[in-house]
Amino acid sequence: AQKVTQAQTEISVVEKEDVTLDCVYETRDTTYYLFWYKQPPSGELVFLIRRNSFDEQNEISGRYSWNFQKSTSSFNFTITASQVVDSAVYFCALSETLNQAGTALIFGKGTTLSVSS
Amino acid sequence: ETGVTQTPRHLVMGMTNKKSLKCEQHLGHNAMYWYKQSAKKPLELMFVYNFKEQTENNSVPSRFSPECPNSSHLFLHLHTLQPEDSALYLCASSQDRTTPPLEQYFGPGTRLTVT
Repeated sequence: AQKVTQAQTEISVVEKEDVTLDCVYETRDTTYYLFWYKQPPSGELVFLIRRNSFDEQNEISGRYSWNFQKSTSSFNFTITASQVVDSAVYFCALSETLNQAGTALIFGKGTTLSVSS
Repeated sequence: ETGVTQTPRHLVMGMTNKKSLKCEQHLGHNAMYWYKQSAKKPLELMFVYNFKEQTENNSVPSRFSPECPNSSHLFLHLHTLQPEDSALYLCASSQDRTTPPLEQYFGPGTRLTVT
């Protein structure tokens, strides 16, 4: 069955610390996509990244970086030099191919990150 | 306005009431989604519309009734709800429902409380 596990329910760090959010997935699809979303206190989910299963190169975007390891079915997210504005709930998601044309996203339960000054 | 908007932002309703949630996207997308976010549970996909046609109903009870009059608007009609239906209801849109899946853009949600 398709599944996304974010084992860390809550993480608290102090500003400028680096923090890694873990994501482990299970899928029967040979081609799939992984996503990270951020949900700040305002409520809307903000898209951060999409990665396909054939591209295992790590990606960096400013203070954000992602480590995709197919061998361990993990897609971890690291924030370098965290800031208070990074406080949010972060969701990892996996695409699921449906019987009809199209796909759905399966989300993990999310990790709540609190960054204090 | 830009992005995905949802109204109302907060709603309190009794179990016998009928209400509707509204979602509007200004991104020119063709696919729209309803998700339910309950405390301590993953986001649950409820409905999907692609080019105004419902393509997915994720075993949602009939007390939730979606409507998509055009590609920019999506409604969720509510009636005879239960207290366990209290949750954050999120609307999202994407360019379409192709494979590979495209990123979805979310609205701020409607916080629903059923008393």
